[in-house]
This record gives sequence, structure tokens and C-alpha cells, in this order.
Amino acid sequence: DQQVKQNSPSLSVQEGRISILNCDYTNSMFDYFLWYKKYPAEGPTFLISISSIKDKNEDGRFTVFLNKSAKHLSLHIVPSQPGDSAVYFCQYSGAGSYQLTFGKGTKLSVIP
Amino acid sequence: NAGVTQTPKFQVLKTGQSMTLQCAQDMNHNSMYWYRQDPGMGLRLIYYSASEGTTDKGEVPNGYNVSRLNKREFSLRLESAAPSQTSVYFCASTVEGGRGTEAFFGQGTRLTVV
Repeated sequence: DQQVKQNSPSLSVQEGRISILNCDYTNSMFDYFLWYKKYPAEGPTFLISISSIKDKNEDGRFTVFLNKSAKHLSLHIVPSQPGDSAVYFCQYSGAGSYQLTFGKGTKLSVIP
Repeated sequence: NAGVTQTPKFQVLKTGQSMTLQCAQDMNHNSMYWYRQDPGMGLRLIYYSASEGTTDKGEVPNGYNVSRLNKREFSLRLESAAPSQTSVYFCASTVEGGRGTEAFFGQGTRLTVV
């Protein structure tokens, strides 16, 4: 079974600085990891993903890094904006697995 | 472009009452899911349906039942509500593509059991 751990429940960052959100996993068999963003009173929405064959994927201010030897991925937001304040979840995606596994989430607060 | 629609958005139940949470998606997705979100616990899978006609238990199925009525609809039923089922419930459907298995979520149902 794949376990996905987000060990930091919350993070506060000044506007304009870098936000780094982390996710650790246990099972090396996966196809993708995805990140979602969730605002209060809304469902999570897809943000960015990374394939197991890559070590980096970038989309505008958002970059996800994958370190397979450490079984660790991180989401970088540069520069952070107040509108980035939300809860961020990482999700494992594995071939043949229907049980989508999410981390517990990290609440990011970007302070103006 | 409705995506995933959940009803109701809010509900207050008394202990022992029953109710059904409705979910429908218009994206022709095969797989559908029910999650609950509690403070500090993240998203926990209650039940999922890999395809029409099949359902399977997730991490926290006790106290719940589901029905995959057709490809579009996946309902969650609480037969005898308990205060421990106070939570925010999310329905999701998924598509497999170039970004992995991507989940599309409804807006959630905030349920309070008193």
C-alpha cells in the first residue's frame, strides 16, 4: 500500500517569498504524483503533477520536484501571493490502483 | 460545464436519522469516490466505484452505504447518523490522462449530526 505523508500541517510565508510544501511517500511504484489546492467551502482542484520519470515539472509560479532516492517531493511557489493561501494536498497515482491516496494536507498562509 | 455536483450543500441531522448524499458528474468518468474531510485528518476514502456496477470499501466505510445508480450518479447513504459522522463530505470522479489519475471534486456537503 502506498502511504503519502505531509508532515507539516501549516506554513506561513511572507508575500513575495518562496513557499515550499513537502510530501513523502513509501512505495516506489507509482506513475504520477499530483498536487491539489483547496480553498474553504470548495472542493480541491488540480494544481500540478509530476511523472515518475521526471525530477521536475514547472507551471508558471509552481514547480514540483521529485527526489526518488529520498521518496520525497516538494512543491515550490515563487513568488507567493495572498491568493495562494489554501490547503494543499499531494495525491499518489499508480497504475491499476483505484484507491486514490492523499496526504493530510498543508495549510499555507501567505501574509501580505 | 457543471463537472461534479453534490446535493445538499449543508445538512443537520439528529442522531439516528438517515439521509442520502447525492452526487452526479457529467464528464463521462468511469470512477467515482466519496471522501470525508475532518480537521487534521485530510481526505479519507469512504467508498469508491471503479466503474458502473461495482463498489468497494475504502479506509472508513463503517456506517455508510453507497449506490452507483448509473455511470453519472454515485450516492452515499447514512442509515443511522451518529455525531462521529459530522464532517465535510466530498464526491469526486477521476480521469486517467497525461497528468496521472486526476480527481475532480464537488463543492462538498457539510453535515452536522446532533
